[in-house]
Amino acid sequence: EAGVAQSPRYKIIEKRQSVAFWCNPISGHATLYWYQQILGQGPKLLIQFQNNGVVDDSQLPKDRFSAERLKGVDSTLKIQPAKLEDSAVYLCASTQLRGGRYNEQFFGPGTRLTVL
Amino acid sequence: KQEVTQIPAALSVPEGENLVLNCSFTDSAIYNLQWFRQDPGKGLTSLLLIQSSQREQTSGRLNASLDKSSGRSTLYIAASQPGDSATYLCAVAYGGATNKLIFGTGTLLAVQP
Repeated sequence: EAGVAQSPRYKIIEKRQSVAFWCNPISGHATLYWYQQILGQGPKLLIQFQNNGVVDDSQLPKDRFSAERLKGVDSTLKIQPAKLEDSAVYLCASTQLRGGRYNEQFFGPGTRLTVL
Repeated sequence: KQEVTQIPAALSVPEGENLVLNCSFTDSAIYNLQWFRQDPGKGLTSLLLIQSSQREQTSGRLNASLDKSSGRSTLYIAASQPGDSATYLCAVAYGGATNKLIFGTGTLLAVQP
C-alpha cells in the first residue's frame, strides 16, 4: 500500500513570494490533515478535511494561508505572501474511520520550506 | 488548555539497554494517543496507537501504556539498538469529531554502539 505522498520535498523562497504544497493521501482515506512543524517543536494542526469539506481550520492563518481538496483526494496548501516565520516543515497526514472510530494517522515525508 | 509534555528532552543510552520514554497530558478526557518516530529530515512514522479504552499496545520491542487517570503514557523500548536513534513524539487526540493530534516536543534518543 502506497503511503502519503508530498511534493516538493524542499522549497526556498524569498519573503512576500507565494508557494504551494501538494499532498496525495493513502487511497481510501477520507480524512486529510495539514500540520506545520517548526524546528524543535512538535507538529501543529493547520487544517483538517473530511472528503472535500473543511472540518477544522481554527489555527490556519487565513490572511495568508489557504488550502483546498476539491475532489476529496489530493490537497494543496498555499501561502501568499510568505513571511520569515513560515519557515517550517509542512506535513500532510491521512486517516480513516474504522468501526466508527478514527484509526491511526499516517504522515507523508513533509515539505521543508525556507523563507529568506 | 490541553498540553502534552515529554520528558526527558534528550536521552543517550548504551546499546542493549531497556529504556522508558515519558509523556504526560493535562486533560485526561482523551480520544486516543499515538506514538511516532521521526528521523532527521524525515516525516513521522507511526509506532503505536492506543485507544482511550485500552491500557497498552505492543509491537515487537515496543510497548506503550496509557493511564488516563494520571494523565500519563510511557513508551518502553526493550534491548535498544543504534537503529532506534531518532526523535520520539507523543500525540494526544481529544474529541472523536476531528481526531486532531496535539503533540509533545519529543524526546531525542541516541543509542550508542
